[in-house]
Amino acid sequence: GAGVSQSPSNKVTEKGKDVELRCDPISGHTALYWYRQSLGQGLEFLIYFQGNSAPDKSGLPSDRFSAERTGGSVSTLTIQRTQQEDSAVYLCASSPAEDTQYFGPGTRLTVL
Amino acid sequence: SQQGEEDPQALSIQEGENATMNCSYKTSINNLQWYRQNSGRGLVHLILIRSNEREKHSGRLRVTLDTSKKSSSLLITASRAADTASYFCATESTGANSKLTFGKGITLSVRP
Repeated sequence: GAGVSQSPSNKVTEKGKDVELRCDPISGHTALYWYRQSLGQGLEFLIYFQGNSAPDKSGLPSDRFSAERTGGSVSTLTIQRTQQEDSAVYLCASSPAEDTQYFGPGTRLTVL
Repeated sequence: SQQGEEDPQALSIQEGENATMNCSYKTSINNLQWYRQNSGRGLVHLILIRSNEREKHSGRLRVTLDTSKKSSSLLITASRAADTASYFCATESTGANSKLTFGKGITLSVRP
């Protein structure tokens, strides 16, 4: 079946602009995660959705970052007023439970 | 704070040799997982070991878990050039709605 997909695969934007990153999880997966990975670094947890529970937003680095998950499926990560330090690969993962995570290919964000 | 920390940070071996990578963590866990990442994009799940397991095999992979030392090792036997990648350990801490916490990763280079 189809895996996790993310769009766009690459995004170049100017400092100060808003960006939206999309994640389509595997159908039926109740858990969805967003991570950020800077060049040569590990994964930085951003936000976690599990079913109808309130999302765990503890990893969001500032109030410029927000995410929503509509209908328990597609998720959008929004970064407002982007800064150069926001440049990174943003990875989405879904899971059928709190167990193995299936990752999308990521969105490479470059803020000029 | 970092939960899983891998060791070494980088490893270079000859094709055919075995590669051993270690991971230490700090809190009680439900399970520990190893992931592989090529070219800074999506991660691929390799193997999961639960807190009540001590050793697990999958093909050329062998994972051990020592909960008393809060450590795990990933052994890749008879390495191939195609095993060149970054390897991450991730821990799922105990508690409700717990999420995975990733280490910074190990860069493995297998020379042909």
